[in-house]
Amino acid sequence: DAMVIQNPRYQVTQFGKPVTLSCSQTLNHNVMYWYQQKSSQAPKLLFHYYDKDFNNEADTPDNFQSRRPNTSFCFLDIRSPGLGDAAMYLCATSRVGQGSYEQYFGPGTRLTVT
Amino acid sequence: GENVEQHPSTLSVQEGDSAVIKCTYSDSASNYFPWYKQELGKGPQLIIDIRSNVGEKKDQRIAVTLNKTAKHFSLHITETQPEDSAVYFCAADTGRRALTFGSGTRLQVQP
Repeated sequence: DAMVIQNPRYQVTQFGKPVTLSCSQTLNHNVMYWYQQKSSQAPKLLFHYYDKDFNNEADTPDNFQSRRPNTSFCFLDIRSPGLGDAAMYLCATSRVGQGSYEQYFGPGTRLTVT
Repeated sequence: GENVEQHPSTLSVQEGDSAVIKCTYSDSASNYFPWYKQELGKGPQLIIDIRSNVGEKKDQRIAVTLNKTAKHFSLHITETQPEDSAVYFCAADTGRRALTFGSGTRLQVQP
């Protein structure tokens, strides 16, 4: 089945130690998103790639970076994680164009910062 | 930018009853309104969506209604079952390939 895959599902990192989360998709969608979701809150968009075009949200901290080396993969880099960055990180994909808007989410990576 | 408000924040119903969740949005240019179901420890799952050119859409036990004039849309679940228990999010498109989400509704279906 075509899907959005996130690895790892659970990640523990130390305060200040860089961490990378990965997302891959078999849907061949042209847009990939990264969201942060804290407990009992709505997903908050950090940034998205439209093909190779990177789109950052205005309030996303500089501590968060992203890379999309090809259509299928997208990475979230947290350069110096703080305790406040502990959250679920969700990757989503969409095929924008031809009137399509649906976003499909992966299972998420739960990040713990110690 | 787009602002989406969702009510209620929690909803408890008896199995077999109906559940209704309501959302309002601020940007009259929004054209796409999806609903997501999120179970504990999982990513949100798209369950139904509606575009601005229709007023109602139904898929088995779930339906969504849209009133563009009033800028509100609602999710209706009939004949609720315990497996419907989850957090439900509404959303609206921002016109920038992005969605703005409501704050979520925790639905509990009591057997």
